[in-house]
Amino acid sequence: DIVMTQSPDSLAVSLGERATINCKSSQSVLYSSDNKNYLAWYQQKPGQPPKLLIYWASTRESGVPDRFSGSGSGTDFTLTISSLQAEDVAVYYCQQYYSSYTFGQGTKLEIK
Amino acid sequence: EVQLVESGGGLVQPGGSLRLSCAASGFTFSSHWMHWVRQAPGKGLVWVSCINSDGSSTSYADSVKGRFTISTDNAKNTLYLQMNSLRTEDTAVYYCARGGIYSGSHSDYWGQGTLVTVSS
Repeated sequence: DIVMTQSPDSLAVSLGERATINCKSSQSVLYSSDNKNYLAWYQQKPGQPPKLLIYWASTRESGVPDRFSGSGSGTDFTLTISSLQAEDVAVYYCQQYYSSYTFGQGTKLEIK
Repeated sequence: EVQLVESGGGLVQPGGSLRLSCAASGFTFSSHWMHWVRQAPGKGLVWVSCINSDGSSTSYADSVKGRFTISTDNAKNTLYLQMNSLRTEDTAVYYCARGGIYSGSHSDYWGQGTLVTVSS
């Protein structure tokens, strides 16, 4: 099974500053036949279901603000929020869908 | 508008059974893989099971294999999760989520979830 490990577990960032969340997979999630990384990022606010932010590691879902971006390939991935807004306070999860499906443990993002 | 509405959660004793439903609308249900994902109180997301568009292919997390059964009724646009031999560690909010047209895809729409509590 592919294990997804996020870092840090929690993060406090000032409004307007950059927030960076990392996700590492125990094996590559890059599928050679289509050159796609089978990696998504979700945002979950308290009392709400998860919301898809990024898929194929770097494709932003429709309607997601462009301050959210995803990068990385193979086993190492990053979710970046370029300028933190108050409404971005949430828990963020990465998920691999290369081999079955696995989520990272989540990263709690707060305002400093 | 895509909508997924779960139902069927509740309180059940250890060893008991429960069937969850997820009513889908706003898209061609019979074209998509569908998933169940759960979240124990205060914990992270855990993938549970998925099924393909015609119900011919299913997959389960090891923790529920042999106890849970996923199924669909395409005539009713409904996804199900039959949960047997429930354990206290199955206590969680259960979400249904829409997958892609092919296997190995992200989940772009999620329901609000239904709470399952396994306790004596």
